[in-house]
Amino acid sequence: AQKVTQAQTEISVVEKEDVTLDCVYETRDTTYYLFWYKQPPSGELVFLIRRNSFDEQNEISGRYSWNFQKSTSSFNFTITASQVVDSAVYFCALRDYTGNQFYFGTGTSLTVIP
Amino acid sequence: DADVTQTPRNRITKTGKRIMLECSQTKGHDRMYWYRQDPGLGLRLIYYSFDVKDINKGEISDGYSVSRQAQAKFSLSLESAIPNQTALYFCATSDNRGWETQYFGPGTRLLVL
Repeated sequence: AQKVTQAQTEISVVEKEDVTLDCVYETRDTTYYLFWYKQPPSGELVFLIRRNSFDEQNEISGRYSWNFQKSTSSFNFTITASQVVDSAVYFCALRDYTGNQFYFGTGTSLTVIP
Repeated sequence: DADVTQTPRNRITKTGKRIMLECSQTKGHDRMYWYRQDPGLGLRLIYYSFDVKDINKGEISDGYSVSRQAQAKFSLSLESAIPNQTALYFCATSDNRGWETQYFGPGTRLLVL
């Protein structure tokens, strides 16, 4: 069965601190796809990044970076020098090999305190 | 214009009423999904459709029904609304490429009194 776990329900940091959001997944597929989405207070869901199971290369995009490790079934997300605008709920998701469904974690609510 | 639209954006209704939430997309995707979001529970899949003739139940389909009127339109109905259906509802689309993301509508906030 597919499952995504985001153990951190809520995180608060002071502005300019670094913060890492954890995501652990379960799947028996050898081919799968991982995603991160951001949901700001306005409510929409914004796609941030995707990774396929064959690509363990870490990625950096501005203040955002992602660490994908198949050995630990983790796909963690780090925000460097956090800003108030980063305050949001962040979701990790897994898409199975068939592509039929997406499996979402329960989300991590991040609050950046000015 | 937004690629995925939902109407209404907000709705208040009473227990027992039938309501319909509508979703339209201009992305040309075959696959469409309905989710509900509740605090602390993330997004849970209600129904999904891979084409006009294909409808599938998701994790929490009880109390809901759907209609795929066209490739671009996917409606969610609550036949007899109850208070625990109060939630934020999202429509999403995707194509059939496994690596492709889902594209979400802006959401519909539903309050059942």
